[in-house]
Amino acid sequence: DTGVSQNPRHKITKRGQNVTFRCDPISEHNRLYWYRQTLGQGPEFLTYFQNEAQLEKSRLLSDRFSAERPKGSFSTLEIQRTEQGDSAMYLCASSFSSTYEQYFGPGTRLTVT
Amino acid sequence: QKEVEQNSGPLSVPEGAIASLNCTYSDRGSQSFFWYRQYSGKSPELIMSIYSNGDKEDGRFTAQLNKASQYVSLLIRDSQPSDSATYLCAGGVLNTGNQFYFGTGTSLTVIP
Repeated sequence: DTGVSQNPRHKITKRGQNVTFRCDPISEHNRLYWYRQTLGQGPEFLTYFQNEAQLEKSRLLSDRFSAERPKGSFSTLEIQRTEQGDSAMYLCASSFSSTYEQYFGPGTRLTVT
Repeated sequence: QKEVEQNSGPLSVPEGAIASLNCTYSDRGSQSFFWYRQYSGKSPELIMSIYSNGDKEDGRFTAQLNKASQYVSLLIRDSQPSDSATYLCAGGVLNTGNQFYFGTGTSLTVIP
């Protein structure tokens, strides 16, 4: 078990550009979550999947954000037309649907200049 | 009112002492609660989960849940300098994302 992995670990982009992040969950886990965390705050829920189905999205999530998990394994999170306010750590977590205990990856730190 | 509230601290305890971290939640429908440890610049690491009223012990850690008072706590016995981190309380309704919340975290420093 290699844990949850995320790529890239760091991303610097210019405002207006699109970015895509990848998350590979723990292989046996069928649930995958995306969170965003800014300094001094706890992780903020963005969206989650059970297998390949996207079950929920944050009520506050802009339509510039989209996520996929096409084969129920890895997932991608895309941010279109990035804004400076998108600068944050983007965290992915996975879990079994039966235990609800989420295990986090190392995160992708996004800086929008 | 935030769904999950924690005292941001900082909390300082001497090495070997008991550190007590507290969390309250507002949604009476919340069913599951978790404590995560987060070192500076790192991602959260799961320490404890608790689903039922009472205490749950795992090594030096004890989680306590009181659903009537909507209160969750984490006790760390024999605190070590390596326990210095931010501790995040999380909880919510099972099988949801929008009804699952993290607190802002309590910063703990264990003084050698």
